[in-house]
Amino acid sequence: EVQLVESGGGLVQPGGSLRLSCAASGFTFSDHYMDWVRQAPGEGLEWVGRIRKKVNSYTTEYAASVKGRFTVSRDDSKNSLYLQMNSLKTEDTAVYYCARVRDGDYVFDYWGQGTLVTVSS
Amino acid sequence: DIQMTQSPSTLSASVGDRVTITCRASQSISSWLAWYQQKPGKAPKLLIYKASSLESGVPSRFSGSGSGTEFTLTISSLQPDDFASYYCQQQNSYPITFGQGTRLEIK
Repeated sequence: EVQLVESGGGLVQPGGSLRLSCAASGFTFSDHYMDWVRQAPGEGLEWVGRIRKKVNSYTTEYAASVKGRFTVSRDDSKNSLYLQMNSLKTEDTAVYYCARVRDGDYVFDYWGQGTLVTVSS
Repeated sequence: DIQMTQSPSTLSASVGDRVTITCRASQSISSWLAWYQQKPGKAPKLLIYKASSLESGVPSRFSGSGSGTEFTLTISSLQPDDFASYYCQQQNSYPITFGQGTRLEIK
């Protein structure tokens, strides 16, 4: 059974940093692109960023709203995905989901349960 | 960036109704469109991919159509479990973008 479990959320002050983790199981993690998607309270879904596979040199893509502040990384030996968030703003407050990208059609076929990040003084 | 516009934002309907949600892209995305269902406090669930392909395990009352810039999600006969929010998403180009969502309410 595919499972994605996020952790690391919490309360952080504006300008602070936080690192989210996503532990994957039930599939060959290294075979998939992985993404982060967020959802502000009461709002819609916003794509955050992507990391490709080793064969694609682990290249990344980011939403303009987080580029230069957030970094997506992965450790295939630990079946883990990470999101390093720096220079956090109040508008980064959201539930953050990790999602598996399916080969071929690039949809999000599995999602974690999400972890809440609150940026507030 | 490709903007995805869903309509309506809110839809009130009854069990057994046929409902249609529309998603328009600001430029052509071919068939690189997916639909997701989300219930309160839960992660989204994939329903439709490549505009019209039904995800495994999703009831056949859900269907998708369209290509280019205009797409629809249809639920042929609403069931109580279908009252949720629905999002379209394009994977044609970066940044990946979602529609603003359609909340399907019980009338």
